[in-house]
Amino acid sequence: DTAVSQTPKYLVTQMGNDKSIKCEQNLGHDTMYWYKQDSKKFLKIMFSYNNKELIINETVPNRFSPKSPDKAHLNLHINSLELGDSAVYFCASSQDTAGTGRAFFGQGTRLTVV
Amino acid sequence: AQSVTQPDIHITVSEGASLELRCNYSYGATPYLFWYVQSPGQGLQLLLKYFSGDTLVQGIKGFEAEFKRSQSSFNLRKPSVHWSDAAEYFCAVVPPRGYQKVTFGTGTKLQVIP
Repeated sequence: DTAVSQTPKYLVTQMGNDKSIKCEQNLGHDTMYWYKQDSKKFLKIMFSYNNKELIINETVPNRFSPKSPDKAHLNLHINSLELGDSAVYFCASSQDTAGTGRAFFGQGTRLTVV
Repeated sequence: AQSVTQPDIHITVSEGASLELRCNYSYGATPYLFWYVQSPGQGLQLLLKYFSGDTLVQGIKGFEAEFKRSQSSFNLRKPSVHWSDAAEYFCAVVPPRGYQKVTFGTGTKLQVIP
């Protein structure tokens, strides 16, 4: 039973489109995250939500907007996609806001913008 | 600002040989330290973590890591590498207080040859 699941796993889209990546965790965790992994494998946090409340919002373009309808879901919506948005996006969750508990990651969504 | 350095981008070892992956961090106090593994097409999996106490921590899959405060290092080791260990390894740090974000190193790609 998958702990953190992301859909879709692969996403190919044209520049200018709007797309969403969904994330769900069935662990009962309070905190969820979105990370972006660039072509050099560097992982950088984008957002963090705790109990549906935005906690961390790193410097990402306004085109990226997280949506947390409930504690178990944190979706990532991207408007007006650009070539530079091509990357692998990871969703994660952890029990506490400090991230000190074990963080579970999804399998990632490979976004390709053409 | 906290930072994590993994000086080795790519390491090749023979199956059965020992392994050490280096990780150095920069932070005012001792952060929480983690090692993650990312297998091809997979999400990130936590190998081990250090919060406090014994500086030698044991993880899954036969991995261990040693925290050395004087060197600001948290190197990952395995006495005998298996072919299935071929993957990308990420060191990560989390400051010990407040709402935190995980800062990842740039990763070390491990290749295992027969």
